[in-house]
Amino acid sequence: EIVMTQSPATLSVSPGESATLSCRASQSVSSNLAWHQQKPGQAPRLLIYGASTRATGIPARFSGSGSGREFTLTISSLQSEDFAIYYCQQYNDWPRTFGQGTKVEIK
Amino acid sequence: EVQLVESGGGLVQPGGSLRLSCAASGFTFSSYDMNWVRQAPGKGLEWVSYIRSSSSTMYYADSVKGRFTMSRDNAQNSLYLQMNSLRDEDTAVYYCARNWGLDVWGQGTTVTVSS
Repeated sequence: EIVMTQSPATLSVSPGESATLSCRASQSVSSNLAWHQQKPGQAPRLLIYGASTRATGIPARFSGSGSGREFTLTISSLQSEDFAIYYCQQYNDWPRTFGQGTKVEIK
Repeated sequence: EVQLVESGGGLVQPGGSLRLSCAASGFTFSSYDMNWVRQAPGKGLEWVSYIRSSSSTMYYADSVKGRFTMSRDNAQNSLYLQMNSLRDEDTAVYYCARNWGLDVWGQGTTVTVSS
């Protein structure tokens, strides 16, 4: 099983600042990496797939990068609606696995 | 509008069974692979199972293998998860999600396993 490790567990950021979230895979997942956002009491929502492609309707302030084992989600100029938990997920191999999540909170 | 709506959750005793459903609309359901993903209270996301668009292939997490069975009815635009021999640790919100990248999620249905 591919283990996905996210860091940090919690990120405290002021509105308007940028946030950088990391995700590391225990083995290469090529570019088969997605990022999902989840707000309290809501279902997750796909932000990024293919490591760097924004899903439909996702604002340009969300960007993803990386390949192989190391990935990054960058949120530039954080808006109030961006404070949430973010999960990376690999779909290169079975079982599909998620990172444990990074909570982005208001500083 | 592309939509997935889960139903069938509830309270069940350990060892019991439950069948979840997921109704799809707004897209050609028969063309898409589907997944179930769950989230235990206060925990992260856990992928549970996958079914190919044609039902030719299914995969399961080790934690549910042999107890859960995923199926679909493309004529009814519906996805199912038959859950048997339920355990306390199966308590979670269960989401259906579309495709390999989980690009569309339902709102979830809550399963509580407790005596």
